[in-house]
Amino acid sequence: AQSVTQLGSHVSVSEGALVLLRCNYSSSVPPYLFWYVQYPNQGLQLLLKYTSAATLVKGINGFEAEFKKSETSFHLTKPSAHMSDAAEYFCAVAYGGGADGLTFGKGTHLIIQP
Amino acid sequence: EAGVAQSPRYKIIEKRQSVAFWCNPISGHATLYWYQQILGQGPKLLIQFQNNGVVDDSQLPKDRFSAERLKGVDSTLKIQPAKLEDSAVYLCASSLEGGRGAQYFGPGTRLLVL
Repeated sequence: AQSVTQLGSHVSVSEGALVLLRCNYSSSVPPYLFWYVQYPNQGLQLLLKYTSAATLVKGINGFEAEFKKSETSFHLTKPSAHMSDAAEYFCAVAYGGGADGLTFGKGTHLIIQP
Repeated sequence: EAGVAQSPRYKIIEKRQSVAFWCNPISGHATLYWYQQILGQGPKLLIQFQNNGVVDDSQLPKDRFSAERLKGVDSTLKIQPAKLEDSAVYLCASSLEGGRGAQYFGPGTRLLVL
């Protein structure tokens, strides 16, 4: 069964600092990988997705993620944090074919210190 | 383009009562998903529809949960009877491309079972 591990339930960075949110997945076949962001009392918004094209994926709001097959990782980064980035971030994996619902990690709460 | 619509946004019921949630996906999206998000966790897939057929309901507690998608558009998720542990946010999502494509989420229905 596929699974997703997000290291760190809470990550705190200073405004303007690098943001790094970690995600590792378990898979025996090439997955499709996603990062979603959730603001309080809202649904999930797609940040970016990897679907076997370029390994470095650029998303919205200045975020990007790199797919590393050898490390089974898909870490999310942003060079300079902004106060508006404070939210819950979820890494998720899916597989093409019929049953392709997302399997989510437990989430990482990003805190931005002024 | 209108997003995924869900109603109601909030619902409070007592245990053993029944409740129903409604979802209207993005126009033209053949795939529809229902997820359960318990506080502090990532969403968990309950059921996936392709048009009006069920593709995956392996994680749906079928003794109390049911879902349908008549005519391949709107969907309804029902819980009968509700238990305390059903308190969660129920998210509906739709997708144009299935697993390799982005899933677009509605705002969710927050259920509290007393």
